[in-house]
Amino acid sequence: ELKVEQNPLFLSMQEGKNYTIYCNYSTTSDRLYWYRQDPGKSLESLFVLLSNGAVKQEGRLMASLDTKARLSTLHITAAVHDLSATYFCAVDRDDKIIFGKGTRLHILP
Amino acid sequence: GAVVSQHPSRVICKSGTSVKIECRSLDFQATTMFWYRQFPKQSLMLMATSNEGSKATYEQGVEKDKFLINHASLTLSTLTVTSAHPEDSSFYICSARTGLGTEAFFGQGTRLTVV
Repeated sequence: ELKVEQNPLFLSMQEGKNYTIYCNYSTTSDRLYWYRQDPGKSLESLFVLLSNGAVKQEGRLMASLDTKARLSTLHITAAVHDLSATYFCAVDRDDKIIFGKGTRLHILP
Repeated sequence: GAVVSQHPSRVICKSGTSVKIECRSLDFQATTMFWYRQFPKQSLMLMATSNEGSKATYEQGVEKDKFLINHASLTLSTLTVTSAHPEDSSFYICSARTGLGTEAFFGQGTRLTVV
């Protein structure tokens, strides 16, 4: 059974700081997604990672994938208040997409 | 990316009634669609996977007779919540993709409130 574990679940940080969110999964995967969700809204796609060693960056966010370790990271550089949201990783395998529990990120001005 | 449209975005219904939610892929043919439910401040829980022309595969603990899924065409899947109760109030989100191993795209979600 595919399990996806995300940590931390809650993160409060100061603007300007760096931090990393981790996503571990239990079996092999076809692809890994990172999404952002603002309160009351649907999901905003951030990154889709396909292969081992994949690294993608958009603005202050950078995602990486290590398929051997079954680990993906979402790194936040010099956080700004606008990045406050809930971030989910999701693992795609065997025609199922399973989500982690999400990381609620609160960035203090 | 491809567009998945969900309708309605919000619905309020009375206990005991049924409500239908539509999920459409607007610019691609979706052989597979997923339905998720999300309670406040929680993650998305997969309810079922539907393949065009086949019966949906439900996740453990999801009542098939309560959550009716129909995927009759390559661009439309529907979720009907039958005999809704207040505990069915939730955010329902669909996702669609062209085939196994291809990228999935999500709809805007439907907020269901049962009163």
